[in-house]
Amino acid sequence: DAGVIQSPRHEVTEMGQEVTLRCKPISGHDYLFWYRQTMMRGLELLIYFNNNVPIDDSGMPEDRFSAKMPNASFSTLKIQPSEPRDSAVYFCASSRTSGGARETQYFGPGTRLLVL
Amino acid sequence: AQSVTQLGSHVSVSEGALVLLRCNYSSSVPPYLFWYVQYPNQGLQLLLKYTSAATLVKGINGFEAEFKKSETSFHLTKPSAHMSDAAEYFCAVSGDGGATNKLIFGTGTLLAVQP
Repeated sequence: DAGVIQSPRHEVTEMGQEVTLRCKPISGHDYLFWYRQTMMRGLELLIYFNNNVPIDDSGMPEDRFSAKMPNASFSTLKIQPSEPRDSAVYFCASSRTSGGARETQYFGPGTRLLVL
Repeated sequence: AQSVTQLGSHVSVSEGALVLLRCNYSSSVPPYLFWYVQYPNQGLQLLLKYTSAATLVKGINGFEAEFKKSETSFHLTKPSAHMSDAAEYFCAVSGDGGATNKLIFGTGTLLAVQP
């Protein structure tokens, strides 16, 4: 299996621009998670989906952030408009449902975002 | 609410020395606990997990952790550090008392291994 795939790996953009991050979960996984990692705040869960339905988006910072999962093999995290404080590494992770809370989350390599 | 606390944001050991990374949890229900490792510029990778079977859990790369309910701890150990163990280590708890595997992460411990 190729693992969780994220694109792009690096993104540099200017303040005010729209940014779209993409994720392909492991085939057969029903859960998909989006995290943000910064030096100041550590690892934060932004949103997660189960069977393509958003379950908990309480970690989404503000209305500038949105996430979608149109099908079981693709999800996007969009920031519009982007701000310098959005600079971070964004991770996508996926897991199965069968074991419930015992299941392992598998992380992608991350997208390193820099907003100038 | 569940939480984990990792004592020591930076730990430095000599190559060949014991590695001990501390994690304490808070949970109102029996927890499931995880240790993940993050190498520079990479995603997180599972080292090991406790899912209420054996209290001593063995993971990859020679790491192990012991679940101690009386101490609410799940410390990570390795008898002999290797240079390749230099990375950041995260403890996490899951469950929220339900079936979801939403993870709550600690703040991480950066392990340095000196030659």
